[in-house]
Amino acid sequence: SQKIEQNSEALNIQEGKTATLTCNYTNYSPAYLQWYRQDPGRGPVFLLLIRENEKEKRKERLKVTFDTTLKQSLFHITASQPADSATYLCALEPGFQKLVFGTGTRLLVSP
Amino acid sequence: ETGVTQSPTHLIKTRGQQVTLRCSSQSGHNTVSWYQQALGQGPQFIFQYYREEENGRGNFPPRFSGLQFPNYSSELNVNALELDDSALYLCASSLARVRGGTDTQYFGPGTRLTVL
Repeated sequence: SQKIEQNSEALNIQEGKTATLTCNYTNYSPAYLQWYRQDPGRGPVFLLLIRENEKEKRKERLKVTFDTTLKQSLFHITASQPADSATYLCALEPGFQKLVFGTGTRLLVSP
Repeated sequence: ETGVTQSPTHLIKTRGQQVTLRCSSQSGHNTVSWYQQALGQGPQFIFQYYREEENGRGNFPPRFSGLQFPNYSSELNVNALELDDSALYLCASSLARVRGGTDTQYFGPGTRLTVL
């Protein structure tokens, strides 16, 4: 069956360190993958999109990698700040703009 | 802020009732998608509307129905509410240049529905 898996346990890190979040998928062949941030009680906010022919994408302190052989994406936040604390969702698009989301990983950055 | 608005923000209903949730898409966007997000889960796709026509549906029963208006705003209707329908309902708008085209989706803040 098709699955998108993210670590359901919260990731706790100290301010200034790099946070690395993982997204693994099975039985999908996505043309691209997206990462969203969601704060409690709010809608997801789009962060980055990476296509299957791109190995890496960067935006300010954010970096995403996409390995279609391993069926995995890694999401990095460098020099993390307490304001980065949120839930991060990865999403695939199997077709017609329908997004299939993972369950999300909660990131807690302590000062 | 994405420019996508939803109303109401919170709603409490009882089992068996019907509910209508509303979404105003971002200016210039022609596609609205609806998602259901249960507590601790990722959003699940309900359906999508492109230029007033349904353009794909997820694994939800027919008591979940929708509509898109000429101004591209949208409604989600749920009949015969069940306890498991309690969730955050999200709409997302986007601009598809062709049916099924790809573009970034911009989410609204959601409507929190509680079914008692």
